Amino acid sequence: DQQVKQNSPSLSVQEGRISILNCDYTNSMFDYFLWYKKYPAEGPTFLISISSIKDKNEDGRFTVFLNKSAKHLSLHIVPSQPGDSAVYFCAATTGNQFYFGTGTSLTVIP
Amino acid sequence: DAGVIQSPRHEVTEMGQEVTLRCKPISGHDYLFWYRQTMMRGLELLIYFNNNVPIDDSGMPEDRFSAKMPNASFSTLKIQPSEPRDSAVYFCASSQGTTDTQYFGPGTRLTVL
Repeated sequence: DQQVKQNSPSLSVQEGRISILNCDYTNSMFDYFLWYKKYPAEGPTFLISISSIKDKNEDGRFTVFLNKSAKHLSLHIVPSQPGDSAVYFCAATTGNQFYFGTGTSLTVIP
Repeated sequence: DAGVIQSPRHEVTEMGQEVTLRCKPISGHDYLFWYRQTMMRGLELLIYFNNNVPIDDSGMPEDRFSAKMPNASFSTLKIQPSEPRDSAVYFCASSQGTTDTQYFGPGTRLTVL
């Protein structure tokens, strides 16, 4: 049972525009959420996180939004750059359990 | 620090053979995780350790899979006997705490023929 879902396997965006990656979860006990970025032939690397007590966290071009009532998480990248082309994984944890989504492959077109 | 180290990077084996994947976590990290990446299920947590003790192995698919952490700097994931459906990329990750960033190794791409 997928407790963390990324329903869009791929996304293409023009350079300079906004990229929005979405993630839905089912477990209301999740209290921490993270986004990881993965390049081919490499392990995932941490990008940004958010605690369940917040609804927004920003780090440079990256902003994560959390809507607890909708059990929905999104990552905004503004402006998108070709180097952002990668697979993005959403992750959630209760502190004792850890779940990742299936990933969304982002392509930023120059 | 060199980061999380995994070996081998690639493993090709025949069905029925034993496979052992190795991981060296980042020094000072108390948590070690083993994940499997597949197209269908994304990154699945197989097992994780805290201070060398297995905490949750509910993600281990079946008895053919086993993992050990004999000391703070080494862990193994063993598959015996291996099957073609075990073909995937296996990642090891380590962290200082359960909500801290997990640092991933480069992964081991396993192909079982």
